[in-house]
Amino acid sequence: AQRVTQPEKLLSVFKGAPVELKCNYSYSGSPELFWYVQYSRQRLQLLLRHISRESIKGFTADLNKGETSFHLKKPFAQEEDSAMYYCALSPMDSNYQLIWGAGTKLIIKP
Amino acid sequence: DVKVTQSSRYLVKRTGEKVFLECVQDMDHENMFWYRQDPGLGLRLIYFSYDVKMKEKGDIPEGYSVSREKKERFSLILESASTNQTSMYLCASSLFSPDRDYGYTFGSGTRLTVV
Repeated sequence: AQRVTQPEKLLSVFKGAPVELKCNYSYSGSPELFWYVQYSRQRLQLLLRHISRESIKGFTADLNKGETSFHLKKPFAQEEDSAMYYCALSPMDSNYQLIWGAGTKLIIKP
Repeated sequence: DVKVTQSSRYLVKRTGEKVFLECVQDMDHENMFWYRQDPGLGLRLIYFSYDVKMKEKGDIPEGYSVSREKKERFSLILESASTNQTSMYLCASSLFSPDRDYGYTFGSGTRLTVV
């Protein structure tokens, strides 16, 4: 079954500390993966996509096919990083859909 | 700079009412989606549409229907609202992408309360 798992519902770290938001997927084909973010009182928006290999707002994510993971990382957390983060997967037979994780709420403590 | 607009930010309806949630996008996207967003459950797909007049059921279509008469507009209909449909409803759109580069653009959401 195709599935995206974000094992942590809530992650709390201090400002300046490294952050890693975990995302594991279950998919037999070649995945395309995304991270979306929703800041307080703002709309959900794309943060980064695996296909473009980009770094946005200091965040990076590396696809590890062996561990079937796409963890989101940032070396030094900032208070404005506090938000809800969703990992999503686009399967080959998707009919244009994304498969979503349940989300992780990140709180950056001052 | 708003690209996906949902007609209402907050809505309160009574049990049994027929409810219409409207979504309009101005990016000429082929695909449009309706999601429910509930704490701990993430985003659950209700319906999506990949073309005018085309629709497909998502994971939780029961109690809902949709309409897409024009490319830019995708409406979600609660046929007879119930309290368990109290939720945040998100509309999204995306281009068709052969590379599966589905960068969704979301609306700001409609928080529906059914009393």
